[in-house]
Amino acid sequence: EVQLVESGGGLVQPGGSLRLSCAGSGFSFSSSVMSWVRQAPGMGLEWVSSISDGGVNKYYADSVKGRFSISRDNSKKTLFLQINTLRVEDTAAYFCAKGPDRGAFGIWGQGTKVTVSS
Amino acid sequence: QSVLTQPPSVSAAPGQKVTISCSESSSKIGSNYVSWYQQLPGTAPKLLIYDNNKRPSGIPDRFSASKSGTSATLDITGLQTGDEADYHCGTWDSSLSAYVFGTGTKVSVL
Repeated sequence: EVQLVESGGGLVQPGGSLRLSCAGSGFSFSSSVMSWVRQAPGMGLEWVSSISDGGVNKYYADSVKGRFSISRDNSKKTLFLQINTLRVEDTAAYFCAKGPDRGAFGIWGQGTKVTVSS
Repeated sequence: QSVLTQPPSVSAAPGQKVTISCSESSSKIGSNYVSWYQQLPGTAPKLLIYDNNKRPSGIPDRFSASKSGTSATLDITGLQTGDEADYHCGTWDSSLSAYVFGTGTKVSVL
């Protein structure tokens, strides 16, 4: 079964850190561009970051540049997002997704919730 | 990053058709592939359309899309209650090396 499963979300105080993980299965993870997309409560989708299949090329939204770091371990078919200096406005459901492949995210995880509050 | 503009909501009776637009002022849509996503309440997004107008396996042909100039359009015909969801367009902005999503449209079946 093609699947992405995120973990690592939770309640964190402003200024704190979290590491999100996303385990892939049922497809060629090591050959896939992977990304993180977030959705604040009641809001639309916001692209956060993407990483090339080999992990060399990384891209970030301006809103997270310098605070978030994307990485991957192809041997474990796992994608990561290190989130530092968390802000209240980072509160969102964080989805990992396969792609973009020709501009499309073909597989999505169920999401993990991050709540930043004191 | 800039966003793609969609109408906040559209609605129609069962069996009717709705059209959702996705527009922007620069050349992102014209220069890159557009995709569309369906997000049912409380669930993750699901790919509905890729490469401007192609449907993944399992997506019914009631869903169709097109692109022209700086705008893209998603049509849903034969509207069903199960189509009530949020719909998002998206494209990769190669000039910014960033992905851009639309503002999202809520489809309601009257």
